[in-house]
Amino acid sequence: DVKVTQSSRYLVKRTGEKVFLECVQDMDHENMFWYRQDPGLGLRLIYFSYDVKMKEKGDIPEGYSVSREKKERFSLILESASTNQTSMYLCASMKGALGGNTIYFGEGSWLTVV
Amino acid sequence: EDKVVQSPLSLVVHEGDTVTLNCSYEVTNFRSLLWYKQEKKAPTFLFMLTSSGIEKKSGRLSSILDKKELFSILNITATQTGDSAVYLCAPANFGNEKLTFGTGTRLTIIP
Repeated sequence: DVKVTQSSRYLVKRTGEKVFLECVQDMDHENMFWYRQDPGLGLRLIYFSYDVKMKEKGDIPEGYSVSREKKERFSLILESASTNQTSMYLCASMKGALGGNTIYFGEGSWLTVV
Repeated sequence: EDKVVQSPLSLVVHEGDTVTLNCSYEVTNFRSLLWYKQEKKAPTFLFMLTSSGIEKKSGRLSSILDKKELFSILNITATQTGDSAVYLCAPANFGNEKLTFGTGTRLTIIP
């Protein structure tokens, strides 16, 4: 079974703090994604990566950056957390091309910024 | 811009009822449509549909795609309380490794 692990499940951070959300997958997938999920807005793509050191902006990249130094690990960084970044963050991974393969999600990281 | 509309937004039925969830989409270079079930945590995969008119079935769940009319439906028969969840559809397109998710249908099954 594919496993996508988000190490931090619940975090509470202060406004202005730097936040790292880590995601690791164990199936040698090329593609990894970060989404956030908010009530009434569904899942929205923040960034995705199709290879080591490669990244692409999604629909809502503002206020976020990402890092993919190793194939199995994709990190989401909030340089200076703000209250409007309080959300549930989902990491996902996928092998090969979208549409021909399914996407697997981690368990989610609940971030509260106070 | 890609669009996905799911209806109804929420649905409350009694155990044993049959439900139909709808997903209409507008995406460029459509490749496939995926359905996910989300309970309290991460979405879990249900179906991937690539061809029109071919029903995919898994137990009490089934789904079909109409590429001409740009919609898909998810049917659940003989519903159980464990079917209570948010159901998400997401079309995928060629050449762009991105899924566009609908806001989901929240299904609640009353015992």
